[in-house]
Amino acid sequence: EVQLMESGGGLVKPGGSLRLSCSASGFIFAKAWMSWVRQAPGKGPEWVGRVKGNLDGGATDYAPPVKGRFIISREDSESKLFLHLNSLKTDDTAIYYCATALDWREDFVTHWGHGTLVTVSS
Amino acid sequence: DIQLTQSPSTLSASVGDTVTITCRASQSISIRASESTITWLAWYQRKPGKAPKLLIYRASTLDGGVPSRFSGSGSGTEFTLTISSLQPDDFATYYCQQYNSVLGVTFGPGTKVDI
Repeated sequence: EVQLMESGGGLVKPGGSLRLSCSASGFIFAKAWMSWVRQAPGKGPEWVGRVKGNLDGGATDYAPPVKGRFIISREDSESKLFLHLNSLKTDDTAIYYCATALDWREDFVTHWGHGTLVTVSS
Repeated sequence: DIQLTQSPSTLSASVGDTVTITCRASQSISIRASESTITWLAWYQRKPGKAPKLLIYRASTLDGGVPSRFSGSGSGTEFTLTISSLQPDDFATYYCQQYNSVLGVTFGPGTKVDI
């Protein structure tokens, strides 16, 4: 069974930093493209970014609102995905989901975690 | 980045109805590859308190286990999700997503289907 479990959310002041983690199991993590998607209160999903799997060199892409502030990384030996959030803004307040399409190597999502809440407030 | 719009934003329907949701992209998200066209568009269903569920990818391919009453069509900039014979379990919010990462991955604003 595919499982994705996020952790690391919390309350942080504007300008602060946070690191989210996602522990994965039930699939070959190293091959999978892994994404972060967020959902702000009362809004629809917003793609944050993605790191490709080892067959595609682990390249990353980011959405414009977070490019230059957020960094996605992965540790394949531990089946873990990370999202480093820097220079946080109040607009970054959202539930952050770890997501993947397993072997598809495309950017739609077949499996989601339960999410971790990030609140940016002074 | 490509912008997606969905219409209608809310749709009132009854069990047994056929409903159609439209998703429009600000530029084409279809790519010509050899003798076929690939369209990087997906549809999701979301219910309160749950993660989105993938219904359709590549504009018209049903994900495994998704009932055949769901169908997707379109290419270029205009796409539709059709639900035939609406069931009680189908009342939810539906999102389209374009995932041509060269052009930036984006979700539509959503269409709520309610009674």
